[in-house]
Amino acid sequence: KNQVEQSPQSLIILEGKNCTLQCNYTVSPFSNLRWYKQDTGRGPVSLTIMTFSENTKSNGRYTATLDADTKQSSLHITASQLSDSASYICVVSPGIYKYIFGTGTRLKVLA
Amino acid sequence: DAGVIQSPRHEVTEMGQEVTLRCKPISGHNSLFWYRQTMMRGLELLIYFNNNVPIDDSGMPEDRFSAKMPNASFSTLKIQPSEPRDSAVYFCASSLSDVRRGRNTEAFFGQGTRLTVV
Repeated sequence: KNQVEQSPQSLIILEGKNCTLQCNYTVSPFSNLRWYKQDTGRGPVSLTIMTFSENTKSNGRYTATLDADTKQSSLHITASQLSDSASYICVVSPGIYKYIFGTGTRLKVLA
Repeated sequence: DAGVIQSPRHEVTEMGQEVTLRCKPISGHNSLFWYRQTMMRGLELLIYFNNNVPIDDSGMPEDRFSAKMPNASFSTLKIQPSEPRDSAVYFCASSLSDVRRGRNTEAFFGQGTRLTVV
């Protein structure tokens, strides 16, 4: 069964600290993996996208890694800011329009 | 481009009433998705259109749900009759897909419609 599991479910950190969010998937075949950021009351916005051959990709303070052998991905946030408070959703695509969504990690950054 | 535009942003209706959600995709995009998001189940694909044609509606919960895309710039999701368990945030997203090559750009989401059925 195609599944995407994320951990932790929620996380609270202090401003300026780093954090790492995890994503494990059992999706097959594999086309690409995306990380989305969803602010409260808004739609998800793409942060990164990685294909099978890519194992790291950065977008500012966000760095995503992918290990296609172990079917794991992580999203590392450096020097967190209050505006990073949001839900982070890992999405794996097995095909052109199929997207398997994780249930997300809710991150809260405190001043 | 203003992005994907959904209306209304919020809808409160009584059980049994008809509800229509609207979506205007990004101009030039040929794929449109309707998703439902709840705390328990996260984001679930309801239906996918490519070039205005419904390709996959296997996520539509039951016959009470229907979706149309009469042209490339407009889609509706209708629930009739609505039930309290339909309460959720409904997102529309669009992307540019090359079906023959099996490629698609990222999906851009609208701001969602928060539906409450009482």
